[in-house]
Amino acid sequence: NAGVTQTPKFQVLKTGQSMTLQCAQDMNHNSMYWYRQDPGMGLRLIYYSASEGTTDKGEVPNGYNVSRLNKREFSLRLESAAPSQTSVYFCASSESSRGYTEAFFGQGTRLTVV
Amino acid sequence: GDSVTQMEGPVTLSEEAFLTINCTYTATGYPSLFWYVQYPGEGLQLLLKATKADDKGSNKGFEATYRKETTSFHLEKGSVQVSDSAVYFCALFSGGYNKLIFGAGTRLAVHP
Repeated sequence: NAGVTQTPKFQVLKTGQSMTLQCAQDMNHNSMYWYRQDPGMGLRLIYYSASEGTTDKGEVPNGYNVSRLNKREFSLRLESAAPSQTSVYFCASSESSRGYTEAFFGQGTRLTVV
Repeated sequence: GDSVTQMEGPVTLSEEAFLTINCTYTATGYPSLFWYVQYPGEGLQLLLKATKADDKGSNKGFEATYRKETTSFHLEKGSVQVSDSAVYFCALFSGGYNKLIFGAGTRLAVHP
């Protein structure tokens, strides 16, 4: 079972460049999430999608955009990368947005902005 | 807003030692509580959960009890192994904000 698949696994960008992080899940989950992980700060929610066709801002949405392309796919776009966006990005999915069900995580994308 | 506070790491133990990682939370209502584990180079995976007060979650020898009176969800294991070395995250699902909120994580290193 693939679960949650993120691409790419590693990326180096120059300041001002743009890129899209891809995420796909094969568990027929309704809800999908993008988090960033920084040392000593846990995981912070960037955006989430409670169901296909909806997206909402999390704690740290500035500098990012998302698209819920279909039920399987949820992409994260950096329009103009900044060094402060250097982080490890995780995509996750869960059956519902009600919080009683487990969230499944991808293996992460390590992004460095120079 | 809702938040999770974990004890700072790293926690370094010898094999077969007793483990406690403290976690306290602030939340409105009655959140669901979780412990996730992250092994090196991997994403997070659910270790255990509890959805109401006094529930005890358990898995792989780890346990945590949802204590509403002390707003705590401490993780314990009676005898740790080298293979338990990882980063452990306490988390809550905030119904008011409709999102999963994580603590900063606690790194555990177990030596033979």
